[in-house]
Amino acid sequence: NAGVMQNPRHLVRRRGQEARLRCSPMKGHSHVYWYRQLPEEGLKFMVYLQKENIIDESGMPKERFSAEFPKEGPSILRIQQVVRGDSAAYFCASSSERVKNIQYFGAGTRLSVL
Amino acid sequence: SQQGEEDPQALSIQEGENATMNCSYKTSINNLQWYRQNSGRGLVHLILIRSNEREKHSGRLRVTLDTSKKSSSLLITASRAADTASYFCATDPSSSGNTGKLIFGQGTTLQVKP
Repeated sequence: NAGVMQNPRHLVRRRGQEARLRCSPMKGHSHVYWYRQLPEEGLKFMVYLQKENIIDESGMPKERFSAEFPKEGPSILRIQQVVRGDSAAYFCASSSERVKNIQYFGAGTRLSVL
Repeated sequence: SQQGEEDPQALSIQEGENATMNCSYKTSINNLQWYRQNSGRGLVHLILIRSNEREKHSGRLRVTLDTSKKSSSLLITASRAADTASYFCATDPSSSGNTGKLIFGQGTTLQVKP
């Protein structure tokens, strides 16, 4: 496992469907961050998780969005009842407990809502 | 509003020239980082400068930080066509309690012409 793995790379959903985005952090990393990037914009922080805990979800929309990082398995960002405005690139990053400052990013999941 | 704002938004130079990008931010920070993003890819960490540092070098990269002006600059010397990418500054706000949560700017798109 060379880096942060995100899947799928591309996801197409119709309005009203659910989108599930997965992120496996780098080996040994226990901190996961999710960011959203709209076209031609920078990344916007969404949520920060450690194993089984949500530490900071100040950037998450109040409705339809949820995130988890279970004890076993990848972190999941779940978007229920998607709308066209959810179309964006969603990036996951991970960091180690020792060096939380430096985050390693996955290649992202590009969500398109039709 | 965005914590970090880069300028210029877009920069086009010839190979061999230097490229300078600036970033301004609003609140006190623990550190400031620069990331690079190739089109359609995730972000790659370039360099981190702490709030008590004024200048840092890494290969062809030189970063400065002026906390009194809340600004930073990234200089890429002797640019190459392969440097073509978007460059983002990201701040780790002091108010976040050293969680590692990053606030990204809008980015500068750099094009280096061969």
